Amino acid sequence: AQKVTQAQTEISVVEKEDVTLDCVYETRDTTYYLFWYKQPPSGELVFLIRRNSFDEQNEISGRYSWNFQKSTSSFNFTITASQVVDSAVYFCALTPNYGGATNKLIFGTGTLLAVQP
Amino acid sequence: AAGVIQSPRHLIKEKRETATLKCYPIPRHDTVYWYQQGPGQDPQFLISFYEKMQSDKGSIPDRFSAQQFSDYHSELNMSSLELGDSALYFCASSYYGTGRNEQFFGPGTRLTVL
Repeated sequence: AQKVTQAQTEISVVEKEDVTLDCVYETRDTTYYLFWYKQPPSGELVFLIRRNSFDEQNEISGRYSWNFQKSTSSFNFTITASQVVDSAVYFCALTPNYGGATNKLIFGTGTLLAVQP
Repeated sequence: AAGVIQSPRHLIKEKRETATLKCYPIPRHDTVYWYQQGPGQDPQFLISFYEKMQSDKGSIPDRFSAQQFSDYHSELNMSSLELGDSALYFCASSYYGTGRNEQFFGPGTRLTVL
């Protein structure tokens, strides 16, 4: 079975603080993709990053960085110098990549990040 | 760049009524997914279509049905609506040929059942 766990339900930080959102996943597949999505109060799902299970390199994109550790089945997301506009629900998601025509996304329960001015 | 289009964006229905949600994928995308997100919950996979054939099925109630048409747009039909069907319904599309598993989400349809 596949499962994504985001243990942090809500996080509140003050602007300019760094914050890390945790994501732990379970899968028996040898190949898979991991994702992070942002859902602001307006409701749309905004794609942030996709990571192949074979690629364990960390990635940095501006104030965002991702740490993928296959040994601990974790794919954590760090926002540096947080801003009020970062306030949103963040979802970690998993999909198998075994060459099927479709691969549904399995989402974690999400972490609500509130950045206070 | 063209995105996934969903219509309507908002829909209000009474219990036991019927609703139809529409999804227009990104041009050349051949796969469509439907997800349901209840209040305060994560999106849950309902059903998907590849090349107009159902390819996977999740926790979709028997009261719901869906199909993908020859132009690749998809419709989710919901009958005998219940209060618990109130949710945000997302459609996503992807192109199987890239093998990149990138699903592009539409803005969602917010369904309220009264």
